[in-house]
Amino acid sequence: GQSLEQPSEVTAVEGAIVQINCTYQTSGFYGLSWYQQHDGGAPTFLSYNALDGLEETGRFSSFLSRSDSYGYLLLQELQMKDSASYFCAVRDASYQLIWGAGTKLIIKP
Amino acid sequence: GAVVSQHPSRVICKSGTSVKIECRSLDFQATTMFWYRQFPKQSLMLMATSNEGSKATYEQGVEKDKFLINHASLTLSTLTVTSAHPEDSSFYICSARGEQGNGYTFGSGTRLTVV
Repeated sequence: GQSLEQPSEVTAVEGAIVQINCTYQTSGFYGLSWYQQHDGGAPTFLSYNALDGLEETGRFSSFLSRSDSYGYLLLQELQMKDSASYFCAVRDASYQLIWGAGTKLIIKP
Repeated sequence: GAVVSQHPSRVICKSGTSVKIECRSLDFQATTMFWYRQFPKQSLMLMATSNEGSKATYEQGVEKDKFLINHASLTLSTLTVTSAHPEDSSFYICSARGEQGNGYTFGSGTRLTVV
């Protein structure tokens, strides 16, 4: 079957750095995306990696290693507004997204 | 950037009635629309994929006669929950893919409560 594994919950302190890992096992791979979702809201796109390496967008960075079927989302200078659920998702050949179960990020002051 | 407008944002309906949810792509043509359902504290569950002008492809376990999807134009897709029951109460989200790129634009979601 196809699956993405990510931690269910991560706790960090305001101003710190946190890394959310994602490992995947899918029949096809056309890129790894990360989405943020606040309670009651819809997912918002954060980043996309199709090739190995690090992509940086402001305080957020995302990394991909296709040989390891692994990626991570790195959040720096954490702010209270970053408290949300974060989902990794793999795009398959039919352009569908296969979603991880989500990681709830709890930020403490 | 690309925007998908989803309406209504919240709806409460009586058991046995039908509810229509609309998603419009405002500044791009949505060749493919994905419809998701999300229960509290869970991930998004893909219900169906629709391409403009063709019948939707439903995921296993999703009743196509209960969840009617219409994608009649490149800018509008609708999901109708027919004969709604309390167990259909959920957060429904659409996501559109345009002709170019790898981006997916999500609607703001519809919170459906069936009483």
